[in-house]
Amino acid sequence: EAQVTQNPRYLITVTGKKLTVTCSQNMNHEYMSWYRQDPGLGLRQIYYSMNVEVTDKGDVPEGYKVSRKEKRNFPLILESPSPNQTSLYFCASSLSVAGGNSPLHFGNGTRLTVT
Amino acid sequence: AQSVAQPEDQVNVAEGNPLTVKCTYSVSGNPYLFWYVQYPNRGLQFLLKYITGDNLVKGSYGFEAEFNKSQTSFHLKKPSALVSDSALYFCAVRGYGGATNKLIFGTGTLLAVQP
Repeated sequence: EAQVTQNPRYLITVTGKKLTVTCSQNMNHEYMSWYRQDPGLGLRQIYYSMNVEVTDKGDVPEGYKVSRKEKRNFPLILESPSPNQTSLYFCASSLSVAGGNSPLHFGNGTRLTVT
Repeated sequence: AQSVAQPEDQVNVAEGNPLTVKCTYSVSGNPYLFWYVQYPNRGLQFLLKYITGDNLVKGSYGFEAEFNKSQTSFHLKKPSALVSDSALYFCAVRGYGGATNKLIFGTGTLLAVQP
């Protein structure tokens, strides 16, 4: 089944403790992206990747890192999480650049709480 | 600035009645417009898109959307609502210029269909 898989689904951590949220897609998509969803703000893009070893900042990249060493994986890294990073995170992928003729496919989300 | 507005936080409709979820946009060129739906505890799912051509676009689950260039709107519609349509709906537009690698999302509209 074609899908985007995120892990974990739920994560509670403390301020300053490094964490990684994994994302993997099995559709051979070139484009991958991370979003955070907050009430009243919709989805905001954190980082995106056009292909392997090509990543770029989205609208809210501060406090986050990403890497794209393989086409299928696009982990999101929080080196020193803070409470304002408490949010619902989504990974998404598409065959080509987002918003072209190929739609975004989303994972089921990771709910992160930083205390 | 490029943006998407969903003026209603929530839309309530009785089952069997027609529904409309509103979306207006602001972009500098010809818009690529999208609707996504989010069910509880799930990621967003693609519903439909407008790239060019016929102003009335048909999508999944019986939904359609009407593109109106003069009013810069892309409202989502369905002739007869189902309780199972209850979900969070997001309108999105593709960025232009330096933002072509992203979708800009609205803040979402919660659709509640009463039996």
